[in-house]
Amino acid sequence: GEDVEQSLFLSVREGDSSVINCTYTDSSSTYLYWYKQEPGAGLQLLTYIFSNMDMKQDQRLTVLLNKKDKHLSLRIADTQTGDSAIYFCAPYGNQGGKLIFGQGTELSVKP
Amino acid sequence: DAGVIQSPRHEVTEMGQEVTLRCKPISGHDYLFWYRQTMMRGLELLIYFNNNVPIDDSGMPEDRFSAKMPNASFSTLKIQPSEPRDSAVYFCASRRGLVFPYNEQFFGPGTRLTVL
Repeated sequence: GEDVEQSLFLSVREGDSSVINCTYTDSSSTYLYWYKQEPGAGLQLLTYIFSNMDMKQDQRLTVLLNKKDKHLSLRIADTQTGDSAIYFCAPYGNQGGKLIFGQGTELSVKP
Repeated sequence: DAGVIQSPRHEVTEMGQEVTLRCKPISGHDYLFWYRQTMMRGLELLIYFNNNVPIDDSGMPEDRFSAKMPNASFSTLKIQPSEPRDSAVYFCASRRGLVFPYNEQFFGPGTRLTVL
């Protein structure tokens, strides 16, 4: 089955850029999602990229996809304290409708 | 729409007791998912339903866990008997379909279960 790996923690200073990385194994993934989980809440879709794209920009968010290496990254520019959360990578493809999440990366933003 | 609704939000019980978690998906969504989140194992998919029918329950830990979806607007996850290692946050999620953009998954707020 699909395997998704992320580093568990990232700490940055307010105003810096954050880069959260993800590697996955399913090369048939057609969409790749990033979800955000704020403390005490469920996950919410943050952004996504189609597998035929290399990059997608959405305001402060930049998603980069390297299909050859099966590597996905999420860059948050000008990181704010409100960005402190857990970020999950979730490739979607040939899993019979299942969305498999990585462990999640806990982003801590220090003022 | 109110989003995915879960109840209770918090549950504290003693080992050996039966626990029932409840979920109301978003109206019109054909898929319903149950996940469990722990520090050690992250977010695990337990089971999912399509049109009220269980499709994949390979993530259900053991026979103590069971899930039902008697109709399109209600699902339960039951643990009997409960054990301390079942302590986790349990999430329900729903989505409309398989194909973009209908495959966006919406999560409930979760039920925090503590088994003493």
